[in-house]
Amino acid sequence: EAGVTQFPSHSVIEKGQTVTLRCDPISGHDNLYWYRRVMGKEIKFLLHFVKESKQDESGMPNNRFLAERTGGTYSTLKVQPAELEDSGVYFCASSQSRGQQFFGPGTRLTVL
Amino acid sequence: QKEVEQNSGPLSVPEGAIASLNCTYSDRGSQSFFWYRQYSGKSPELIMSIYSNGDKEDGRFTAQLNKASQYVSLLIRDSQPSDSATYLCAVKGNNAGNMLTFGGGTRLMVKP
Repeated sequence: EAGVTQFPSHSVIEKGQTVTLRCDPISGHDNLYWYRRVMGKEIKFLLHFVKESKQDESGMPNNRFLAERTGGTYSTLKVQPAELEDSGVYFCASSQSRGQQFFGPGTRLTVL
Repeated sequence: QKEVEQNSGPLSVPEGAIASLNCTYSDRGSQSFFWYRQYSGKSPELIMSIYSNGDKEDGRFTAQLNKASQYVSLLIRDSQPSDSATYLCAVKGNNAGNMLTFGGGTRLMVKP
C-alpha cells in the first residue's frame, strides 16, 4: 500500500512569489491534515479536511494560505505571496475516520 | 508555557541501555497520547499510542501515562544504534477536532 506522498520534496522561491504544495493521501483515507514545522519550532497543525470539506482550519496562519481538496482526493496548499517566515517543512497526513494519522515525507519550503 | 514540552536533547545512551524520553502537556482534558519517531528528512512514524493511565508495552517500547501529573514517557529497552532519531510526543484533546499537538521532539543518540 502506497503511503502519503507529497510534491515537491523541496522548493526554493523568492519572497512575494507563489508556491503550491501537493499531497496525495493514502487511498481510502477521507481525513487529510496539513501541518508545518518552522525552524527551531514544533510541528504545528494547519487544517483538517474530511473528504472535500474543511473540518478545522484553526491553525491556518493568515489569508496568504489557501488549502483545497477538490473531489476529496489529493489536496493542495498554496502560499501567495510567500514571506520569509513561511520557510519550513510542510507535512501532510491522512487517516481513516479519527484513527492513526500517517504522515508524508514533507515539503521543505525555503523563501529567500 | 508550551502546550507539549519535551527536552530537546540530545539524549545519548550506550547500545543496550534503556532510553527514557519524557513529555509533559498542559491541557488536562487531553485524551490520546502518541509517540512518533522521525529519522532525519523522513516522515514522522507512529510507534506507540496510549489512552489510559499506566503502562503499555510493545516489543522493546513501553509508553507510560500519568494523567494526574500530565506526564507521558517512552522507554526503549536494549537501545540500538538504529533507534537514533528524533522522538516526537503528540497529544490529542477531547474536543471535536482531530488535530495533534506536538512537542518539539527529543533527539536520541544510541552509541555503539
